[in-house]
Amino acid sequence: DGGITQSPKYLFRKEGQNVTLSCEQNLNHDAMYWYRQDPGQGLRLIYYSQIVNDFQKGDIAEGYSVSREKKESFPLTVTSAQKNPTAFYLCASSLAGGGSNEQFFGPGTRLTVL
Amino acid sequence: RKEVEQDPGPFNVPEGATVAFNCTYSNSASQSFFWYRQDCRKEPKLLMSVYSSGNEDGRFTAQLNRASQYISLLIRDSKLSDSATYLCVVRPSGGYNKLIFGAGTRLAVHP
Repeated sequence: DGGITQSPKYLFRKEGQNVTLSCEQNLNHDAMYWYRQDPGQGLRLIYYSQIVNDFQKGDIAEGYSVSREKKESFPLTVTSAQKNPTAFYLCASSLAGGGSNEQFFGPGTRLTVL
Repeated sequence: RKEVEQDPGPFNVPEGATVAFNCTYSNSASQSFFWYRQDCRKEPKLLMSVYSSGNEDGRFTAQLNRASQYISLLIRDSKLSDSATYLCVVRPSGGYNKLIFGAGTRLAVHP
């Protein structure tokens, strides 16, 4: 079955700790994206990658970092510099970064900072 | 002003009802438009794209008014399974496949 997986589903972190969220896809998509969703707000773009070994900041990249060493993987690190990290994190992928290709979402990781 | 605005609801309707959601967007150069559906604590999934001529998919009808920068979604004969949050999504022109999401309109269909 093709799709996007994210792990873990729930994550608890103490303040001051970095944490890495996993995102893997086997759809052979070039482009991948990270969003965060807060209650009452739309999804906001953190980082995106149009191709392996390349990524760009989205609208709210401060306090986050990513890597894209493999086509199928796009992990997101939430650093201690992120002031309000508690949120629902969604990874997505699409056929290509340009054009209007449907973005497919993973099931999400719910991060809570204690 | 938010780039994509929606009435948050909730819309509480009985089964069989017809319900309409509206959405406005601020960037007149926006290129593509979509409705996504998001179930509680799940990921969004594409419901349908929205075309200038209007389009229909079963009980769902989407309309776009570029002059007014307005998008709508009509659901006829509501089912219990339609209960979800509906996200209005806009793709600005140019560049990469960036999507701008509205905060969503919550629909609750009751027996």
